[in-house]
Amino acid sequence: AQTVTQSQPEMSVQEAETVTLSCTYDTSENNYYLFWYKQPPSRQMILVIRQEAYKQQNATENRFSVNFQKAAKSFSLKISDSQLGDTAMYFCAFRVTGANSKLTFGKGITLSVRP
Amino acid sequence: SAVISQKPSRDICQRGTSLTIQCQVDSQVTMMFWYRQQPGQSLTLIATANQGSEATYESGFVIDKFPISRPNLTFSTLTVSNMSPEDSSIYLCSVENAYEQYFGPGTRLTVT
Repeated sequence: AQTVTQSQPEMSVQEAETVTLSCTYDTSENNYYLFWYKQPPSRQMILVIRQEAYKQQNATENRFSVNFQKAAKSFSLKISDSQLGDTAMYFCAFRVTGANSKLTFGKGITLSVRP
Repeated sequence: SAVISQKPSRDICQRGTSLTIQCQVDSQVTMMFWYRQQPGQSLTLIATANQGSEATYESGFVIDKFPISRPNLTFSTLTVSNMSPEDSSIYLCSVENAYEQYFGPGTRLTVT
């Protein structure tokens, strides 16, 4: 079975600064996907970034980038130039490749961006 | 990506009644998922619904309590039956495309 661990329940960052959200996972599989989802207060959950396990290069989407360490089973999200709109709950998620595979979520971390 | 809508967006229901939540997608998808989320908590998968077959339920969830319909490739419903206050939660519909899942806005259910 796969598990996803987000050990930090809350974090806070000053606007315009950089913050890193941690995530570790456990699996015996070799082919999988990792995701970060953002859920703003009372708003819809959206996909922030995705990483394929077979890719060595870390994924980047504008101000969002990941540090994917496959051997360490670590998948952290870095948010650069934090904005007030980044205030949200962030979920790390894992999915094995192949049909009928389910998405496994971490417990989430609440990020607050201070003005 | 996919655009997903849910109805109702929120409801307050009495104990013992049932509520049906609708999920509409703007494109045809094979798999649809129903999740439950307590406020401030993570998501718990209730069931997976494929068009033309019975939904597959996760441990702790049963069809009698959460019947699901999937009449076509763009629509699904989840019914929360014989509700109790413990069913108060946010219910989310989700679809998958190229290994990515997209979520609806959720239905916030309060049972009194």
